[in-house]
Formats: sequence, structure tokens, C-alpha cells
Amino acid sequence: GENVEQHPSTLSVQEGDSAVIKCTYSDSASNYFPWYKQELGKGPQLIIDIRSNVGEKKDQRIAVTLNKTAKHFSLHITETQPEDSAVYFCAARSARQLTFGSGTQLTVLP
Amino acid sequence: DAGVIQSPRHEVTEMGQEVTLRCKPISGHNSLFWYRQTMMRGLELLIYFNNNVPIDDSGMPEDRFSAKMPNASFSTLKIQPSEPRDSAVYFCASSARESTDTQYFGPGTRLTVL
Repeated sequence: GENVEQHPSTLSVQEGDSAVIKCTYSDSASNYFPWYKQELGKGPQLIIDIRSNVGEKKDQRIAVTLNKTAKHFSLHITETQPEDSAVYFCAARSARQLTFGSGTQLTVLP
Repeated sequence: DAGVIQSPRHEVTEMGQEVTLRCKPISGHNSLFWYRQTMMRGLELLIYFNNNVPIDDSGMPEDRFSAKMPNASFSTLKIQPSEPRDSAVYFCASSARESTDTQYFGPGTRLTVL
């Protein structure tokens, strides 16, 4: 089955700086890669996703890049704000299922 | 839209008791997923349904776990008997179609088995 590795597990940045979270996947048949943000006591919320026929996608301060050859994808958050502090999960879809990474605890320091 | 609704939000029970978690998917969605989240294992898919039919239950840890979806607007996850190692947050998610990738998560049920 699919295996998704995510790093770093924790990330602290100063407010206004950029944050980058990276994931790798194992199944070359995976074709959909969402990113979820989970705040304390809440369920994961989709923030951005990318499909395998696209190399990059941007939505305001967040962007995702995908390298199919290397089987890795990354989340970029620019101009970070305190409300960006949360746990971020990457995921990869293959065989009709999502496999999640282990999560990154992002802390934005004021 | 009310989003995915789960109940109860918190459940504390004693080992050996039966626990039933409930989920109402987003109206019109026909795929429903049950996940378990723990510090040790992260987010794990337990089972998913498409059009009320269980498609893949390979993630269900043991026979003590069972899930049903009697209609398009309701699903249950039952643990009988419960054990302390079942303590976790259980999430339900739904998507519009099986082939549609976006899953929308509920707020979760935090289960504590003493």
C-alpha cells in the first residue's frame, strides 16, 4: 500500500517568515495530494490540494508543489501569521484511499 | 451547510462497555469514512462506505469494531467490548462521490476508555 512520510514533525517560525513542509510518497499510481490543517480540538480541514497532472498550485499565502518523478510534494506558507499555528497533514490518494503523513506541528512566534 | 456532524463529542467509559459513535455526513455526499487518530499511529482509515455499502474495512482493528450505514444520512461505529487501547479521537468524513477526492471531516469524538 501507499506510504507517506512527512517532515519536519515540528517547525517554529517567526511571524512574517515562510514555512515549508515536505512529504514523500511511495505509490507512483497516487494521483491526488491534499493538505489538511488541524487546530486543537477540531477535525482536519482541507486547505489546498493538487492533482498529479499539475506541478504547482497557489492560493493566496499558501502553495503546493509536486514532483512526480521524485515522488515528493511540499506545502509553502508565506508571510506566516499566528493563526497559521496548527498541525498540518499531507496525504496521498491511491486505490481510492487517502494515506496521511504523520503531521507537522507549526508554531508561528509573534 | 452544517458540515459533517458527529456525536457525542466526548465519551468516557469503562473497559468492557459498549460504545457507539454516530455520524451524519454532508447532505448529498455518498461516500463516508471512519478514521482513528492517536499520537502513536496518526490518522488511520478504519472503514469506508460508498452508497451505504462497506467497500473496505481492512483498517478495522479487531472484531470488537463494527460499522454500519443504514441510510445515506447516518452511520455508526460500535466498539464492543471497549478496551483502554481504544482511547483515541474518532473522525468521520464524507465526500460527494467515491471518485471525488475531497473529504470533509467532522469535529471528531474523543473516546476515553478507563
